[in-house]
Parts: sequence; structure tokens; C-alpha cells
Amino acid sequence: GDSVTQMEGPVTLSEEAFLTINCTYTATGYPSLFWYVQYPGEGLQLLLKATKADDKGSNKGFEATYRKETTSFHLEKGSVQVSDSAVYFCALTPRYNQGGKLIFGQGTELSVKP
Amino acid sequence: EAGVTQFPSHSVIEKGQTVTLRCDPISGHDNLYWYRRVMGKEIKFLLHFVKESKQDESGMPNNRFLAERTGGTYSTLKVQPAELEDSGVYFCASSHRTGVDVLTFGAGSRLTVL
Repeated sequence: GDSVTQMEGPVTLSEEAFLTINCTYTATGYPSLFWYVQYPGEGLQLLLKATKADDKGSNKGFEATYRKETTSFHLEKGSVQVSDSAVYFCALTPRYNQGGKLIFGQGTELSVKP
Repeated sequence: EAGVTQFPSHSVIEKGQTVTLRCDPISGHDNLYWYRRVMGKEIKFLLHFVKESKQDESGMPNNRFLAERTGGTYSTLKVQPAELEDSGVYFCASSHRTGVDVLTFGAGSRLTVL
């Protein structure tokens, strides 16, 4: 079945460091891909998305490119801030599923130190 | 607009007891979803309501879990009797249009079964 695998955390970085969180997926067809973020005490928020191959999603300085050939959707940010400390989830919606169901990875906790 | 509201935010119960989690979706959202994150693993889909009808309940783990959405507004998820492996964070999400709109998530209800 469809699945998402993302790098294990926790990831600890210093402020202004470069961030990469790896995400790969297995799916039939061409799913839509998402990154969600959960800040402490808050709900999951959509960070960015991409719906077809080679699309780049971006928001708040974060970027991810839909790579069909490597079935990947890695999250990157050039300079992280303390306020980026959160848990990041990669997810997909199968192409055949019209019910809005999301399949998530296990989450990666990011801690940014000043 | 008010977001998706879940309560309680944290519940601690003994094995064998009953717990009821509640979700209030965004007003006017016909679609309501329940997800669960257990032991820091991936967030897994439990079920999907469209108004008061269960559209997809393929993720419900067993018959100890009962979800209802009477009147198509708020939803409850009852676990009876609770087992140790039910511990985790239960997320609720809602959307206006099925399969089109991005889901809006609540902050989650953390359940600890001792």
C-alpha cells in the first residue's frame, strides 16, 4: 500500500543553519504531497504542498520539490530560526482517493538552539 | 473563524476504563476526520464522516472504538474498554469540500492509559 518514510529525529540545529528533512514515498500513480508542521501546543498546520511532478511548494522560507524519479519530497530551509522548532510531517493523498484521506510519515522533531 | 476544537486536551485513565473524546469542526465543514498518532510513530487515519454518515472507517483498529457524529456537527470518539496500546494523540480534522480542500486540524487529544 501507499506509505511515507521520513528521516528520524530529533534533529538539533543552531540558529541560521541549513535544514534538510528527507521524505520518500511509495504510491500508485502520482499522489499529491504535503508537509505539515505541529508547533508546541498547536494543531497540525499545512506548511506547503505540491500536486504534480517537478512542482515546488514553498512557504515561510521552506521549500520542497516533488521528484517523481526519486519518489522524494525533501523539506529544506536555508536559515532556520528558533521559532521553527516543531514536529514536521510529510504526507500524501493517493491519486485514486477522493475522500481527502492523508497518509503520514512518522514525523521529525526539529529543535533549533539560539 | 474558530478553528477545530478538541477536548479534553489530555486524559489519563486506567486500563479497562472508558474515555470519550470530542471534536468540534469548523462551522459549515461537512467533512470530519479522526487520526491517531501512537508512540511517536506515524499519524494514522481512523475514519471519515461526511455530515453524519461514515464515509470511510477502514482505519478503526477494533470494535472498542466507536465514533459518532449525530446531527452532522460535533463528533465523539469513545474507547471502551481502553487498553495500554490505545495511548497516543488523537487528532480531528475538518474540511468543507471532500477531496478538494486542505484539512484543518485540531491540537489533538492526548490519551494516556495506565
